[in-house]
Amino acid sequence: DGGITQSPKYLFRKEGQNVTLSCEQNLNHDAMYWYRQDPGQGLRLIYYSQIVNDFQKGDIAEGYSVSREKKESFPLTVTSAQKNPTAFYLCASSSGTSLSYEQYFGPGTRLTVT
Amino acid sequence: GQNIDQPTEMTATEGAIVQINCTYQTSGFNGLFWYQQHAGEAPTFLSYNVLDGLEEKGRFSSFLSRSKGYSYLLLKELQMKDSASYLCAVRRYNNNDMRFGAGTRLTVKP
Repeated sequence: DGGITQSPKYLFRKEGQNVTLSCEQNLNHDAMYWYRQDPGQGLRLIYYSQIVNDFQKGDIAEGYSVSREKKESFPLTVTSAQKNPTAFYLCASSSGTSLSYEQYFGPGTRLTVT
Repeated sequence: GQNIDQPTEMTATEGAIVQINCTYQTSGFNGLFWYQQHAGEAPTFLSYNVLDGLEEKGRFSSFLSRSKGYSYLLLKELQMKDSASYLCAVRRYNNNDMRFGAGTRLTVKP
């Protein structure tokens, strides 16, 4: 079955620690995205990547980093510089062959930093 | 800047029809999307409009008026499983610039 996987579903970290969230897709999509969702707010774009070895900052990239070494994988690192890291993180991908280019989302990782 | 506005919450009765509105202000409009998101889960794609008019897909329909910066999602024959948040999203310029509204939480009651 094709899809996007994110693990783990729940993640707990102490303040000051870096943490890496995984995102893997087997849809053969070129583009991948990371969003953050907070209660009462829309999804906000952190980073996106259109092709392997290339990525761009979204609206709220500060305190985050990404890599895109393989087409299937787009891990997100939440660094200790991110002032308010507790949130629901969603990874998505999209294909250039779909007319609407809709984004397909993974199940999300809920990160809690204390 | 870009604003996307939709009601925070709505309640409707099982079997009824509900319309969820979305208004937006943007430059470089390149499509409007509706997603459904159940609590704690990933958003799933419902519909896409880039030209004015109504797109129908089963019990769900979506309408767009670009001149008015307005869209609505119409849900017919409501079922309890339709209780979820509905996200309006606007794509600008290219495929990577997608902005989401805060979502409308719909509760379907028996």
